[in-house]
Amino acid sequence: GDSVTQMEGPVTLSEEAFLTINCTYTATGYPSLFWYVQYPGEGLQLLLKATKADDKGSNKGFEATYRKETTSFHLEKGSVQVSDSAVYFCALDRGSTLGRLYFGRGTQLTVWP
Amino acid sequence: EPEVTQTPSHQVTQMGQEVILRCVPISNHLYFYWYRQILGQKVEFLVSFYNNEISEKSEIFDDQFSVERPDGSNFTLKIRSTKLEDSAMYFCASLRAGRRNYGYTFGSGTRLTVV
Repeated sequence: GDSVTQMEGPVTLSEEAFLTINCTYTATGYPSLFWYVQYPGEGLQLLLKATKADDKGSNKGFEATYRKETTSFHLEKGSVQVSDSAVYFCALDRGSTLGRLYFGRGTQLTVWP
Repeated sequence: EPEVTQTPSHQVTQMGQEVILRCVPISNHLYFYWYRQILGQKVEFLVSFYNNEISEKSEIFDDQFSVERPDGSNFTLKIRSTKLEDSAMYFCASLRAGRRNYGYTFGSGTRLTVV
């Protein structure tokens, strides 16, 4: 069945360090891929998305490229800030009419000044 | 910016009791969802709801669970006879028609603790 495997955390980085959070997926058909972020005390917020192979999603300095050949959607940021500290979730939508999301376990990122 | 509101933020209940988790979706959204996350595990789909009926449910969503939209604004999840393993964070989400690829809007979640 459809699933998402996400790099487990926690991840701890110093400010301005490079970030990679790995995400791979298993799906039939042509899923859309998402990264959601959850800041403390808040809901899940869409960070970025990609709807087809080779698409690159980007937002707030974060990027992820939909790689069909490696079934991956790794999240990257060149220089993290303290304000990026949050839990990051990789997810896929397999493309059915009404949609449902398959999530990874989430990765806790802590950035120290 | 419109948001999905969930209440309460935290609920503690005794095993065997019934709980109702409440959600107010964004007003012009037509699709509604419940997800849950047991501590340390994946966010799991429970149920989707459209046009006043369940459109899809997971194997987790058994007879213990029910959903309804009683007044056109609230969207509730009822858990009858709670069990210890129901302890989790429950997220409500809503989606505007035709905008699936633009992302769902999630609430902040209700942390349910069954003791």
